[in-house]
Amino acid sequence: GQSLEQPSEVTAVEGAIVQINCTYQTSGFYGLSWYQQHDGGAPTFLSYNALDGLEETGRFSSFLSRSDSYGYLLLQELQMKDSASYFCAVGRAAGNKLTFGGGTRVLVKP
Amino acid sequence: DGGITQSPKYLFRKEGQNVTLSCEQNLNHDAMYWYRQDPGQGLRLIYYSQIVNDFQKGDIAEGYSVSREKKESFPLTVTSAQKNPTAFYLCASSTEQGGYGYTFGSGTRLTVV
Repeated sequence: GQSLEQPSEVTAVEGAIVQINCTYQTSGFYGLSWYQQHDGGAPTFLSYNALDGLEETGRFSSFLSRSDSYGYLLLQELQMKDSASYFCAVGRAAGNKLTFGGGTRVLVKP
Repeated sequence: DGGITQSPKYLFRKEGQNVTLSCEQNLNHDAMYWYRQDPGQGLRLIYYSQIVNDFQKGDIAEGYSVSREKKESFPLTVTSAQKNPTAFYLCASSTEQGGYGYTFGSGTRLTVV
């Protein structure tokens, strides 16, 4: 089967840097995605890594190591609006299916 | 503007009743998905469909049913056989090879009393 592990909660202050790790076990791995979800809202797509390395999108970066079955999301220059839950998700084989981790709740303090 | 519409936002039903959740998209996406989210947890796949008139079970399909008669629409029925139906239900869509960039609807919060 598939499983993903990520920390349940992280707290940091405005302006800080936060790294959310994600380790996974899956068959038919296609890539690792990250989504952000504010309380009561819909998840929104942040990034996708199919190959090893770092992808940078503004203040957010995502990294993948396929050999280690490991990735992370890096949030830089934290802002209050970044307080949300962040989910890693593994892309599986045909059907473009995603399996989601349990989510990491990020709390940004002034 | 293109997007996914889920309705209603909140739904209350009595135990033993079937209920259908609506999901409509105007993104011209081929694939559509239903996920369930319980408080403080991740999303679990219920059903998915890659093309019209075809759909497959996800990881927790028991007690649910779907149809895909039109490309734009993918309704989910929560039947009385679902043991614990109270949850937040999310519909999503993507191009079949969309790099896993799902677009999600705003969700339906179902409460069964």
